[in-house]
Amino acid sequence: SAVISQKPSRDICQRGTSLTIQCQVDSQVTMMFWYRQQPGQSLTLIATANQGSEATYESGFVIDKFPISRPNLTFSTLTVSNMSPEDSSIYLCSVGGTNEKLFFGSGTQLSVL
Amino acid sequence: SQQGEEDPQALSIQEGENATMNCSYKTSINNLQWYRQNSGRGLVHLILIRSNEREKHSGRLRVTLDTSKKSSSLLITASRAADTASYFCATSDRGSTLGRLYFGRGTQLTVWP
Repeated sequence: SAVISQKPSRDICQRGTSLTIQCQVDSQVTMMFWYRQQPGQSLTLIATANQGSEATYESGFVIDKFPISRPNLTFSTLTVSNMSPEDSSIYLCSVGGTNEKLFFGSGTQLSVL
Repeated sequence: SQQGEEDPQALSIQEGENATMNCSYKTSINNLQWYRQNSGRGLVHLILIRSNEREKHSGRLRVTLDTSKKSSSLLITASRAADTASYFCATSDRGSTLGRLYFGRGTQLTVWP
């Protein structure tokens, strides 16, 4: 299993500002995944972050809005840029374990005013 | 998209009763997984069933998969108040990248003492 530390756990931000979410894993992993969960909705994959290469974004998500860093095999950041109230969501990082299951961080609850 | 859909959206039962949640999906899958989320926080993996399996057990959990109907069910037996949470099914497409899971909107289970 993997232990994932994600911070901040929650934040309230003003529109137009940016927030960077950090994700630290207790073991080296090739891929890290960033998901978004809008209020009352399911989880949607934003992007896959590979160490040493550009992140791969899913349809509907762009690098300018959600820049991702992956400086090493245990750490990644997701930035939510130029925020609007529509960005209010829970953001979760995750890593793959054995047998294709995912381990998740505790999430960042973001509210944009 | 391959998004799963859970049914019911909300379920309220007494301790000791069984809880059954259903999930339907749309296309061919590698596997189907169930996750639990407490109070909008990180998700915890519960159980994975592969496309060539029909039933799987883990403690008080029983999962079934019917690929002909593209549906799955999660049964929690002898429920406890601590089982109160949201439960999500997630599917992995055939040929999909590891970590790209499609989640349903979840079933909110409330177990009353």
